[in-house]
Amino acid sequence: AQSVTQLGSHVSVSEGALVLLRCNYSSSVPPYLFWYVQYPNQGLQLLLKYTSAATLVKGINGFEAEFKKSETSFHLTKPSAHMSDAAEYFCAVSGNQGGKLIFGQGTELSVKP
Amino acid sequence: KAGVTQTPRYLIKTRGQQVTLSCSPISGHRSVSWYQQTPGQGLQFLFEYFSETQRNKGNFPGRFSGRQFSNSRSEMNVSTLELGDSALYLCASSLGAETLNTEAFFGQGTRLTVV
Repeated sequence: AQSVTQLGSHVSVSEGALVLLRCNYSSSVPPYLFWYVQYPNQGLQLLLKYTSAATLVKGINGFEAEFKKSETSFHLTKPSAHMSDAAEYFCAVSGNQGGKLIFGQGTELSVKP
Repeated sequence: KAGVTQTPRYLIKTRGQQVTLSCSPISGHRSVSWYQQTPGQGLQFLFEYFSETQRNKGNFPGRFSGRQFSNSRSEMNVSTLELGDSALYLCASSLGAETLNTEAFFGQGTRLTVV
């Protein structure tokens, strides 16, 4: 069965600092992994996805994530945080059945001026 | 192109009532999935419909049901509402191909409050 664990329910960084949001997955099949962002009272927006084409995936808004099979990780990073990055971030893995996504518990990112 | 549209955005219901939420997917998308989001449980998968058939189902009681119409629009229904059903209900649409890397696009959600 697939599952996702996000380490840290809340992460706080200063503006301009590195953002690192951690995600570990468990999957019995080759995983397809996603990072989504959610702003208050909004739906989820896809940041990036891993589909086995390349281990380093670049997404929107300067975010990227690296798939590490040996560590079963898919951590999200951004070199320099911006105030507008403050939001909740979700890591997800495709279930082994069609359109089902299995989400982690989310990490709330705060950015201090 | 237009995104995923969920109606209504906000809803207040009384315990014991039933509610119907609507989702219009992106044009051309044949798969619609529903998720419940609560502070305690996070994002939980309810069910997925593809070509008017339920393809996947999450671990929710039978009070939660859904359907999909021939134009891919979907509705979900919750009967005999309980206080614990208060949540943000999110709909996601995708092309619906059998590949697992199909990107899902989410609507803004319906905020249901049960009083």
